[in-house]
Amino acid sequence: GAGVSQTPSNKVTEKGKYVELRCDPISGHTALYWYRQSLGQGPEFLIYFQGTGAADDSGLPNDRFFAVRPEGSVSTLKIQRTERGDSAVYLCASSPGTSGVTQYFGPGTRLTVL
Amino acid sequence: AQTVTQSQPEMSVQEAETVTLSCTYDTSENNYYLFWYKQPPSRQMILVIRQEAYKQQNATENRFSVNFQKAAKSFSLKISDSQLGDTAMYFCAFTLNNAGNMLTFGGGTRLMVKP
Repeated sequence: GAGVSQTPSNKVTEKGKYVELRCDPISGHTALYWYRQSLGQGPEFLIYFQGTGAADDSGLPNDRFFAVRPEGSVSTLKIQRTERGDSAVYLCASSPGTSGVTQYFGPGTRLTVL
Repeated sequence: AQTVTQSQPEMSVQEAETVTLSCTYDTSENNYYLFWYKQPPSRQMILVIRQEAYKQQNATENRFSVNFQKAAKSFSLKISDSQLGDTAMYFCAFTLNNAGNMLTFGGGTRLMVKP
């Protein structure tokens, strides 16, 4: 079956612009996670969805970051007024939710803010 | 809060030999899961092996095995018969035994398998 997919693979934008990053989880997975991975570091948690609702958004760095999952499947991470420090790889993962804790990752989106 | 530490930024091993990657973690919880993920240059984070804290038996997946020492809060990964395709970043990760909890990752170990 298909794994987690993320689009675009790479995104280059200018400082101050708005970007959207998309994640399509494994079919049937109710839990969806976003992580941010800076160069040379391990991923850091941003936000977790169970179904349509954000169950834990404690990792979002500030109010420029927002994520939605309106139908409980695809999720979009939105970043307003991008800054050079937002440059990183944004990883999405999904898991079966209450029936399993193992998270399966997508290939990530590399965001570069010039 | 949980923390995960990988003390080896880089390691290398000759093809066909065995290498062990170290990981320590800190938690006050008793029920949790530990993982090793592999991240090749393609960026895809691939699950290598998983260990439930309540299981005393060390997990094994083909050439990959772990040495889980709960009291010492240590979780090392042993790769036997190393192959060139094992070259990648390896991340140790922790999550509580509660579906929906975030993964806490270590800083990673870059493994190079040499021909």
